[in-house]
This record gives sequence, structure tokens and C-alpha cells, in this order.
Amino acid sequence: QVTLKESGPVLVKPTETLTLTCSVSGFSLNNFKMGVSWLRQPPGKALEWLAHIFPHDVESYNTSLKTRLSISKDTSKSQVVLRMTNMDPADTGTYYCARVLFFFGELSTYKWLDPWGQGIRVTVSS
Amino acid sequence: DIQMTQSPSSLSASVGDKVTITCRASQSIGSHLNWYQQKPGKAPQVVMYSASQLQSGVPSRFSGTGFGTDFTLTISGLQPEDFATYHCQQTYSSPHSFGQGTRLEI
Repeated sequence: QVTLKESGPVLVKPTETLTLTCSVSGFSLNNFKMGVSWLRQPPGKALEWLAHIFPHDVESYNTSLKTRLSISKDTSKSQVVLRMTNMDPADTGTYYCARVLFFFGELSTYKWLDPWGQGIRVTVSS
Repeated sequence: DIQMTQSPSSLSASVGDKVTITCRASQSIGSHLNWYQQKPGKAPQVVMYSASQLQSGVPSRFSGTGFGTDFTLTISGLQPEDFATYHCQQTYSSPHSFGQGTRLEI
């Protein structure tokens, strides 16, 4: 059974750095057909894609947040870590990690998120 | 970056109805379009990937079509458990952007 679980602080102060850990089980972070994404959802609002890390440590970031984000993985611990600097109350929301599955088609590689972790609610407040 | 626009933002329907949700990409994304269902207080779950591929375990009343910039998710014969928020996501190029969601209400 594949599971992902987010952990980290539920309350951070403005200007602090948020560090979230995604612990995965049921698959290997070395698997070339899989990656991990981080996403978030402010209360009552849309999902926002933040970052992903793919095989061979290929990373990608949300364009408007890329100067604040860092993603890394520890394969031996089966963990993916997201760091977001200079936190602001506007960053309040539920943060999710999710496995990225790849399907290698003839002309393209298709990707989708399955499954997702349960999410962690993070509040930014002094 | 590719922008994703969903419509409508909310939709009221009854059990047994057929509903269609639309997602439009700001540029061609082939069939790199996924649909997720999210119930209140829960994480999203994929229902359709690669525009028209039904996720294992998802009822066949769900169907997806589209290629390029215009996509639809159709639910034929709504069941009580289908009332949720639906999100589209493109995975053609990073960043893998989402639409703003469609809330399907009874």
C-alpha cells in the first residue's frame, strides 16, 4: 500500500522558514517512474502547485515562489523535504505532498498525482 | 506558464443528472490533463488522467474528453457521493498548474 504523510510545524511566525517533510512508504524514491510533488490550498481556495522532484533529482518550482522554495529528497529515509523561506500570513493553508506517476507513451510522458497525503494545516501568524 | 480556466466555478444538480465541467488551457497541452475530486476536509483523489483515462476504481459514469486546449469531465447519472469539488491540472509543462476548481452541489 502506497502512503504519504506530511509532517512539520502547524504554526510559524512571519519571516520564518517553513520546513515540511513528506514520508513515503510502499514505493521507492529511486523508482524512475515516480516522483513527488508538493501542493497547497489556502482556506476555501484553489489548489496551487508548488514544486516537484523527479528521478535523478530533477527539480521544478512554482514560478512566482521559486526564490523562496527548495525541495530535496533523502532516498535512504524515504523522505522529501520542502523548505519555504520568509513565510507570510498569505501562506496559510493546507500543504499536501503527492506521488507523481509517469506513463511513458510513444510520443510523450504522461504524469498524474496519486495518491496524496492527508495534508498538514499550516498557519502563519505572530 | 500555462493558465488553466475551469467553468463553471459552481454547479447545482440533482441525483441522476448528467453534468459537464470544462477546463481550458491557455496553450495546447495535448492530452496532459488530469481531473481530481476533493471532498470537504479531505485530500484530492485522481478520477481521470491523460484527459480520458479512468483511474482504477472510479465508476464508469465518469468520462473525460479533450485534446489541445479544451477538456471536459462528464458525470452521467450523479450519485450522492459525487457531490464534491473537481480540479483540473495540466502536466504538459512545469509549473503543473491547476484550474480554480468547480464545486458540484446538490
